[in-house]
Amino acid sequence: QVTLRESGPALVKPTQTVTLTCTFSGFSLSTSGMSVSWIRQPPGKALEWLARIDWDDEKYYNTYLKTRLTISKDTSKNQVVLKVTTVDPVDTATYYCARDYGAFGDTWGQGMLVTVSS
Amino acid sequence: DIQMTQSPSSLSASVGDRVTITCRASQSISIYLNWFQQRPGKAPKLLIYSASNLHSGVPSRFSGSGSGTDFTLTISGLQPEDFATYYCLQTHYLHSFGQGTRLDFK
Repeated sequence: QVTLRESGPALVKPTQTVTLTCTFSGFSLSTSGMSVSWIRQPPGKALEWLARIDWDDEKYYNTYLKTRLTISKDTSKNQVVLKVTTVDPVDTATYYCARDYGAFGDTWGQGMLVTVSS
Repeated sequence: DIQMTQSPSSLSASVGDRVTITCRASQSISIYLNWFQQRPGKAPKLLIYSASNLHSGVPSRFSGSGSGTDFTLTISGLQPEDFATYYCLQTHYLHSFGQGTRLDFK
């Protein structure tokens, strides 16, 4: 059974860096063709794709946010980490991770709300 | 970057109706288009991938079509559990979602 779960701080202050972790099971990110993405959704708004990391460590970023995002993986721990620098209240959102193995988003985590506030 | 435009942004319908949601890409994306359903407070669920392929476990009343820049999601015979928000996503170049279509009871 494939599962993903997001974790990290629920509350961060403006200008800080937030580190989010996606811990998964039921698949390996060393499998050819496997990818994990991060997506976010501000309250009441649409989904926004943020970043993706592939099995071969290729990385892709949202054009408008790329200077603030860093995605990485630890295959041995079955984790994908997303760092978002210089956060602002507009970064308040539910953050999801999702798997892509032939079909983007075949499995998603439950999501976690990150609130940016002083 | 590729912009995805969904229409309508909201839609009212009744159980048993047939509804169609459209998604237009700002440039050709071949068939690299997925559809998701999201219920309030829940993570999105994959319905359709590669424009017209039904994801495992998804009821056959959902169907997708299109290629290039114009795509449609059709739900034939709405069920109560189908009232939700639907998103398209392009995976041709990076990824980008449409703004969503909210489907509610008439």
